[in-house]
Amino acid sequence: RKEVEQDPGPFNVPEGATVAFNCTYSNSASQSFFWYRQDCRKEPKLLMSVYSSGNEDGRFTAQLNRASQYISLLIRDSKLSDSATYLCVVKHNFNKFYFGSGTKLNVKP
Amino acid sequence: EAGVAQSPRYKIIEKRQSVAFWCNPISGHATLYWYQQILGQGPKLLIQFQNNGVVDDSQLPKDRFSAERLKGVDSTLKIQPAKLEDSAVYLCASSFPGTATDTQYFGPGTRLTVL
Repeated sequence: RKEVEQDPGPFNVPEGATVAFNCTYSNSASQSFFWYRQDCRKEPKLLMSVYSSGNEDGRFTAQLNRASQYISLLIRDSKLSDSATYLCVVKHNFNKFYFGSGTKLNVKP
Repeated sequence: EAGVAQSPRYKIIEKRQSVAFWCNPISGHATLYWYQQILGQGPKLLIQFQNNGVVDDSQLPKDRFSAERLKGVDSTLKIQPAKLEDSAVYLCASSFPGTATDTQYFGPGTRLTVL
């Protein structure tokens, strides 16, 4: 079983739509959780950390459900510039990071 | 603050040739990672260093890949000999092993094409 699993998509949505991605992880002892964004032919960049209480950054909301071992990312009012691949990342002890395969988002005009 | 530096950015070689990649992490980051990312997949960890010691190299194909971080700062990753399936982006990342919420930062990657 993979450490981190994501729906690869693609999610094709119109501008202004709300879209949500989920991610599941297998290790209940996972320490911390992140969403990264990766543009085509670029390196992954941190989008936001995910806290147990849930957190919001502008149009982006991340939530963590430790009991069910899943993480979600909600994007409201989608922009063309949100088109990218979103990587779910889980951190274990000893600074070990595990990546999902990514969910591709295409925002259409 | 300077980010993670990598070179070269692109490399094209023929199979059975050798290639080396270089990474300079963010200053003060004790943990350094090399990942392989194949198109359409998430990054796969090849090797993780803590200072100049190896923490995890369980997914490094040791018959052809090697990596070192002799002084606990810069690192090199070598492939010898290269195979067609090694065509990928090789990403270097670093992190400061402080709290559980500290994350990692990536360099721009080296795109390797093996012909």
